[in-house]
Amino acid sequence: QSALTQPASVSGSPGQSITISCTGTSSDVGGYNYVSWYQQHPGKAPKLMIYDVSDRPSGVSNRFSGSKSGNTASLTISGLQAEDEADYYCSSYTSSSILFGGGTKLTVL
Amino acid sequence: EVQLVESGGGLVQPGRSLRLSCAASGFTFDDYAMHWVRQAPGKGLEWVSGISWNSRIIAYADSVKGRFTISRDNAKNFLYLQMNSLKTEDTALYYCAKDTGVKVGDSYDYWGQGTLVTVSS
Repeated sequence: QSALTQPASVSGSPGQSITISCTGTSSDVGGYNYVSWYQQHPGKAPKLMIYDVSDRPSGVSNRFSGSKSGNTASLTISGLQAEDEADYYCSSYTSSSILFGGGTKLTVL
Repeated sequence: EVQLVESGGGLVQPGRSLRLSCAASGFTFDDYAMHWVRQAPGKGLEWVSGISWNSRIIAYADSVKGRFTISRDNAKNFLYLQMNSLKTEDTALYYCAKDTGVKVGDSYDYWGQGTLVTVSS
């Protein structure tokens, strides 16, 4: 049960778009259309941003989008805003457990 | 309003036990799977365990298998985590999280504020 692989950090300027990758294997990310993305601000509980690879929960901005190709899932944030600065985690279903990525710190310059 | 309130955390010595509880309200508890997710200080999220709506499907992370037991009481709207043989590496903030579905999945739309477990001699 190895964690999914995410870049440690990404950054972008307000208004720009950024993409965070989440790489797994054919036993997790590549094997199921069950990938979620969470946003976590310091000292706060995580917030679900994307589920089932590309679906957005009610109330989440359409600036957030998800996709998947093979064993790699991606979260794209367009029109970057200051409040998007946070840690982002991907997760994936497997046949026996749930895996999280190591997390990516997004800095809005 | 959905609320998840964890309790039971604290300071415990290695090898001892602790039982976490999560009180759920604001939704039909037995319509959803539930999970425990932990976060060590300054570290990332780690899924610990999940339980389906009817307790028939239960899963654990390898790191806690054989030591932790998840359970739920649908009559009382409570989720539990019995933690035995605690290790220093179990030190973390433990979150209770609501699944978006009935089975053990990876999408959690509501989270509690967490209860801190510190394992130290």
